[in-house]
Amino acid sequence: QKEVEQNSGPLSVPEGAIASLNCTYSDRGSQSFFWYRQYSGKSPELIMFIYSNGDKEDGRFTAQLNKASQYVSLLIRDSQPSDSATYLCAVNGPGAGGTSYGKLTFGQGTILTVHP
Amino acid sequence: ETGVTQTPRHLVMGMTNKKSLKCEQHLGHNAMYWYKQSAKKPLELMFVYNFKEQTENNSVPSRFSPECPNSSHLFLHLHTLQPEDSALYLCASSQDRRRGGLYRPETDTQYFGPGTRLTVL
Repeated sequence: QKEVEQNSGPLSVPEGAIASLNCTYSDRGSQSFFWYRQYSGKSPELIMFIYSNGDKEDGRFTAQLNKASQYVSLLIRDSQPSDSATYLCAVNGPGAGGTSYGKLTFGQGTILTVHP
Repeated sequence: ETGVTQTPRHLVMGMTNKKSLKCEQHLGHNAMYWYKQSAKKPLELMFVYNFKEQTENNSVPSRFSPECPNSSHLFLHLHTLQPEDSALYLCASSQDRRRGGLYRPETDTQYFGPGTRLTVL
């Protein structure tokens, strides 16, 4: 079982719609969860992180965390063509010695396409 | 992008060459990372440094040799690479990871440099 799993997509949504990106993780000890966006040929850029169960909103983005189900999602409201990118889910731990010492594990990413 | 810089941005090398990748962070962080990103594969963590000490080597072949002279600079020395080593190499940094301190998720947040696109012929 992969440590962090994402549907690779591509996920295609029309402009103005809500895009829903999902991620599951295997390590119950994980404490923080990150969403990054990566445009083709560029490096990942942080969108937001979440560490408490529930929702966290930042502009058009909402992260949702359910630790009991080991599930984290990212909603993008009013999707724009400029949101077309690969979205990476990352989860902290386990690091060396069984701690979460300085390590993020990334999923393979979901390709999102927003068409006009 | 200016918080973490990487040079060169593109590198083409033969299998017998020796080259180095450089990363510099201007964020006051104390942890630095090397990742490899190949087509259609997840980001692969290669090395972790915290306060200049290597804390993780993710079973990376010895033809990749990291160096961290201080908390702001990180190098990846390359020698006798193989064509399958062609990839995007990403450097990242985050705040310190002091053992025993209170956990703060902000310290896990990693900021990436623009990457070096490496092609091995």
